[in-house]
Amino acid sequence: GQQLNQSPQSMFIQEGEDVSMNCTSSSIFNTWLWYKQDPGEGPVLLIALYKAGELTSNGRLTAQFGITRKDSFLNISASIPSDVGIYFCAGPVVGGGSNYKLTFGKGTLLTVNP
Amino acid sequence: EPEVTQTPSHQVTQMGQEVILRCVPISNHLYFYWYRQILGQKVEFLVSFYNNEISEKSEIFDDQFSVERPDGSNFTLKIRSTKLEDSAMYFCASTPGGGFYGYTFGSGTRLTVV
Repeated sequence: GQQLNQSPQSMFIQEGEDVSMNCTSSSIFNTWLWYKQDPGEGPVLLIALYKAGELTSNGRLTAQFGITRKDSFLNISASIPSDVGIYFCAGPVVGGGSNYKLTFGKGTLLTVNP
Repeated sequence: EPEVTQTPSHQVTQMGQEVILRCVPISNHLYFYWYRQILGQKVEFLVSFYNNEISEKSEIFDDQFSVERPDGSNFTLKIRSTKLEDSAMYFCASTPGGGFYGYTFGSGTRLTVV
């Protein structure tokens, strides 16, 4: 099946630093989604990307849809302690039709030291 | 902001027992989903539901699983005879349809099978 490879698996950074994580796939995606999951909570959508080359920001977060449609990255600038959590990339499953089912990467665990 | 509500937040059950996990999707959403996340692993699609029937299901969603929309607001996942490996977080999600805008996850039910 479709696999999304996320890297890095985990990151330990100091408050104020910038963070970059990415997601790659062997298959083409038409949509890339970035979610954040806090402990014991469900994934919350951060950014959605719908077009190759698209660069979208949401506050301190910026995400880009790769030109090849096989990758995406998420940047967080000036990190703060509440950025701690697991960040997942996700995309629609090929052949999913109108069901809008998602496949997820394994996540990047972000720890921010104050 | 509209939410997907899941109950209970945590359920402990004995192996072989039946469990029903409950979800109240966002009221004007048309597509409903169940996902599963085993501890430390990625979120996995289980089943999608549209127009009062299952539209797609994964290999995980075997005969022990069933879903129902018993009334206009609730969406349930039943596991007929739980196994130890069913222990996981179960997330309900809903979307209005027509894309991934508004794809919203609930906070999840942590199911522990002992």
